[in-house]
Formats: sequence, C-alpha cells, structure tokens
Amino acid sequence: SQQGEEDPQALSIQEGENATMNCSYKTSINNLQWYRQNSGRGLVHLILIRSNEREKHSGRLRVTLDTSKKSSSLLITASRAADTASYFCATVVTGGGNKLTFGTGTQLKVEL
Amino acid sequence: GAGVSQTPSNKVTEKGKYVELRCDPISGHTALYWYRQSLGQGPEFLIYFQGTGAADDSGLPNDRFFAVRPEGSVSTLKIQRTERGDSAVYLCASSLLTGRTDTQYFGPGTRLTVL
Repeated sequence: SQQGEEDPQALSIQEGENATMNCSYKTSINNLQWYRQNSGRGLVHLILIRSNEREKHSGRLRVTLDTSKKSSSLLITASRAADTASYFCATVVTGGGNKLTFGTGTQLKVEL
Repeated sequence: GAGVSQTPSNKVTEKGKYVELRCDPISGHTALYWYRQSLGQGPEFLIYFQGTGAADDSGLPNDRFFAVRPEGSVSTLKIQRTERGDSAVYLCASSLLTGRTDTQYFGPGTRLTVL
C-alpha cells in the first residue's frame, strides 16, 4: 500500500523556474527519501533526510521535513529540461525495517 | 562500477504461465529488495533479503509469488499461474545495510505483461 500522497500529481514549468513538490505520509518514520524516475523504469536516489532533521540541501535540491505535519517538500531550483521526470518520496517507517514505502509521485515537465 | 542489473528487461507471457525474474545486485551488497510498480503508481514493496534469508516477505500479494536468494547474491522472483493483474514493472534494489539510513540502488526493472 502507498504511504501517502504527493502534490501536485503533475507540474509543468519553464526552464529556469523553481519546482516544488510536496509529500504527505501517515505514520511515524525513521527517514524520508526522494527518488527520481525517468520513463517509468529505474529509480535514482536523490536525497535522504532523517526524522530529526528539518532541512537538507544537495546541489540544486532542497528538502524540508515537518514531522508534526507528516509532510515533506522537495524544491528544485533553476530547473532544466533534463529534470523532466517523475519524483517520488519514500519513507522508512519506524519499526518497519529498511523497506521503502513510496508515495504516488509527481510528474514534472520542464519546458524549454 | 556495475549497478544493479535485471533480466529480462521485458517479459510477455500468457495467463496461467510461470515466470522467473532475475536480479543481480551490486557486488558486496548484503540487502536485496523487490518492489512492484503498476502504471501511474509508486513502487510497492514485495520482499526483502538480508543475505540468503527473507527478512520480510509481508508485501508478497499471495502464495503464487516466491523469491529466493540461495547464495546471498543473485535473487530470482518466481510467479506461478500468472494473472493479468500481475502485469507491472518489477524493480529490484540492493544496499549495503549499514543502518536505517541505507541508500537503496535500483535496477532498471523488468516489465512483465501477462496477456
């Protein structure tokens, strides 16, 4: 079963703009991760944020985590056409071992 | 180095047939995971191996699904009496299992189509 929802389901922006995607989840977590998927195949790990962290950066990516609201956001700054992909948040649930529970995903399209 | 590989990349079969999907993890990775992704959805967990043993098989949908990892490296996901609803992309991932902040590295997936 899916852990939660991502919002928006689809997002279309112009190259150079920022893209923000949101993720909500349902249960207590150890960490939350963001993945990118091109063309419905292999997933690429982008960034991991622990439950005791509030914000993390990696290059053009910024992730925030609000455990009181059970939500996270992924910001991609200065987007490029190559950022076009589906983005998924995934949680490692407390007491759930190391398995990932994914959200429903956001389809991002960056237009030239 | 080599990443996670999965074979075949595509598999078309008929309803009722048996299929095997193979996963070669990154060398030295102790943990191996199988997920299934239906069209328009996020991946869903199936089973997780630590070494040779299945540490968590709670995601397997029914007893038609079985997975093995006999030598702690390559894993095979086996589906008996396939049904049209089994059509999906089956993803494999591996990790070093150093703790709860493990990064899982995914393979390209096997797209299974049951006619």
